[in-house]
Amino acid sequence: DVKVTQSSRYLVKRTGEKVFLECVQDMDHENMFWYRQDPGLGLRLIYFSYDVKMKEKGDIPEGYSVSREKKERFSLILESASTNQTSMYLCASSSTGTGLKSYEQYFGPGTRLTVT
Amino acid sequence: QKEVEQNSGPLSVPEGAIASLNCTYSDRGSQSFFWYRQYSGKSPELIMFIYSNGDKEDGRFTAQLNKASQYVSLLIRDSQPSDSATYLCAVNLSQAGTALIFGKGTTLSVSS
Repeated sequence: DVKVTQSSRYLVKRTGEKVFLECVQDMDHENMFWYRQDPGLGLRLIYFSYDVKMKEKGDIPEGYSVSREKKERFSLILESASTNQTSMYLCASSSTGTGLKSYEQYFGPGTRLTVT
Repeated sequence: QKEVEQNSGPLSVPEGAIASLNCTYSDRGSQSFFWYRQYSGKSPELIMFIYSNGDKEDGRFTAQLNKASQYVSLLIRDSQPSDSATYLCAVNLSQAGTALIFGKGTTLSVSS
């Protein structure tokens, strides 16, 4: 089974702090994704990565950056946390397999971040 | 802007009934379609995928795809209270590699 883990289930940070959210997958997946999920707004893609050191902006990259130094690990960084970044953050991964199966994404448990 | 639309619900059905969840999408080039189930406070879990027009059955779940109408649905037969959750429809974007776009989800409530 695919296992995607995230460093924290709950996190409370203060406005202006630099925040690191870590995601690790153990299935040698090439693709990794960061989403945030808010009531009424659904899942929104922040950044994704196809390979080590590669990154692509999603729909809402402002205020975030990412790092992928190793294949299994994808980090989301909030450079200066703000209250509007209070949300559930979800990491996912998928394999660049053959054909259409490469689109199947598997999610970690999520990190509920509160910025006060 | 590519979109995936779902009725937010709640959709309420009695135990044992068929629940029908619907999704439309705007990207005609999409080829892969997914249904995720998300329990309150949990992360989404992949429960069905469909790539070809027609029906795909897996246990009590049936996914239906009509590419001409840009419509995908999920039927849950013999609904159980444990099926109460939010169901997310996801579709690949034809011009964005392996990225998916998600609908906002339909909340299903199954009463015993």
